[in-house]
Amino acid sequence: GNSVTQMEGPVTLSEEAFLTINCTYTATGYPSLFWYVQYPGEGLQLLLKATKADDKGSNKGFEATYRKETTSFHLEKGSVQVSDSAVYFCALTSGNQFYFGTGTSLTVIP
Amino acid sequence: GAGVSQSPRYKVAKRGQDVALRCDPISGHVSLFWYQQALGQGPEFLTYFQNEAQLDKSGLPSDRFFAERPEGSVSTLKIQRTQQEDSAVYLCASSLAGTRHGELFFGEGSRLTVL
Repeated sequence: GNSVTQMEGPVTLSEEAFLTINCTYTATGYPSLFWYVQYPGEGLQLLLKATKADDKGSNKGFEATYRKETTSFHLEKGSVQVSDSAVYFCALTSGNQFYFGTGTSLTVIP
Repeated sequence: GAGVSQSPRYKVAKRGQDVALRCDPISGHVSLFWYQQALGQGPEFLTYFQNEAQLDKSGLPSDRFFAERPEGSVSTLKIQRTQQEDSAVYLCASSLAGTRHGELFFGEGSRLTVL
């Protein structure tokens, strides 16, 4: 079947620290991979995506590389800011469905 | 507005009541999805529409759940005889096309609490 497993939170970091949120997946076929972010009081919004193996998605200083050999799509940012505090969801598509991980809550403290 | 709009934002129902949740997608978006998000969990797929056609309803947890999109725009998710386990945030999302490479645009959700 299709599923996404992501690092459990919550994660608390100091401003300018390095961030990694791990995500691995199980899928039939060749899924597209996504990271969605949910800021406090807002709906989920797309952060970045990658549609085939070895693609790197990037946005707002965040990056993730589609690794087929390790079935992973880890999210990284070199220097987090307080405004990055949010819940991050890894997701994949297969057919008409998106499959989401359980979310990782990130809090960045000044 | 330009985004996906959901109403009501909050709904409290007594067990056994029927509820209806509305989703107004972004104008022109062909695809519409409903998800259920329990506390501390990721969104779980419920159903998918392409225009007015409900192409996948495999995620609906029971026959008490019903969704429609009669004119290919606004959609309503109806839950009959609500139970406590139905308490969750119900998310609606739309996209211009399908899911393969497309971005889903989410509403802020309707939080249902069943007492």
